[in-house]
Amino acid sequence: AQKVTQAQTEISVVEKEDVTLDCVYETRDTTYYLFWYKQPPSGELVFLIRRNSFDEQNEISGRYSWNFQKSTSSFNFTITASQVVDSAVYFCALRGYSNYQLIWGAGTKLIIKP
Amino acid sequence: GAVVSQHPSRVICKSGTSVKIECRSLDFQATTMFWYRQFPKQSLMLMATSNEGSKATYEQGVEKDKFLINHASLTLSTLTVTSAHPEDSSFYICSARHPQYNTEAFFGQGTRLTVV
Repeated sequence: AQKVTQAQTEISVVEKEDVTLDCVYETRDTTYYLFWYKQPPSGELVFLIRRNSFDEQNEISGRYSWNFQKSTSSFNFTITASQVVDSAVYFCALRGYSNYQLIWGAGTKLIIKP
Repeated sequence: GAVVSQHPSRVICKSGTSVKIECRSLDFQATTMFWYRQFPKQSLMLMATSNEGSKATYEQGVEKDKFLINHASLTLSTLTVTSAHPEDSSFYICSARHPQYNTEAFFGQGTRLTVV
């Protein structure tokens, strides 16, 4: 069975602090894909990153970075120097190679205080 | 990236009426679309997988007669909430699978349905 766990229900930090959102997944597939999406109050899902299981390199995009660790089945997301506009709900998701269905985590609500 | 348009973004309807939500892939043909429901402060729940030209595959616990899905063309899938009740009020989101970028899902903007 596939499962995604985002244990942090809500995180609140002050602007400019760094914050890490945790994501732990379970799958029996050897090939799979991991995603992070941002959902601002408007509701629209914003795609942030896709990582396939073959690529364990960490990725950095501006203030965003992702740490993929197959050994611990984790795909954590770090925002550096957080800003108020980063306030949103962030979802981690998993997809198998041949199954297009996404398995979603519960989401982490991130609140950035000015 | 590919564009998926969902309409309407918000709808308020009276109890007992039916509401149709459209999901269009604007610049690609989508053989497969997905419909999700999201309750407040919760994650997305897959309702059904919509395949062009065939019947939708519903997830366990989702009423087929309540949530009618039609995927009549490669660019349009519709979700009709029939005889809506207040408990059907929710945020509904569609996504489409791009034939070329098949590792990603492209999402519509979502529809906030309020049944009064």
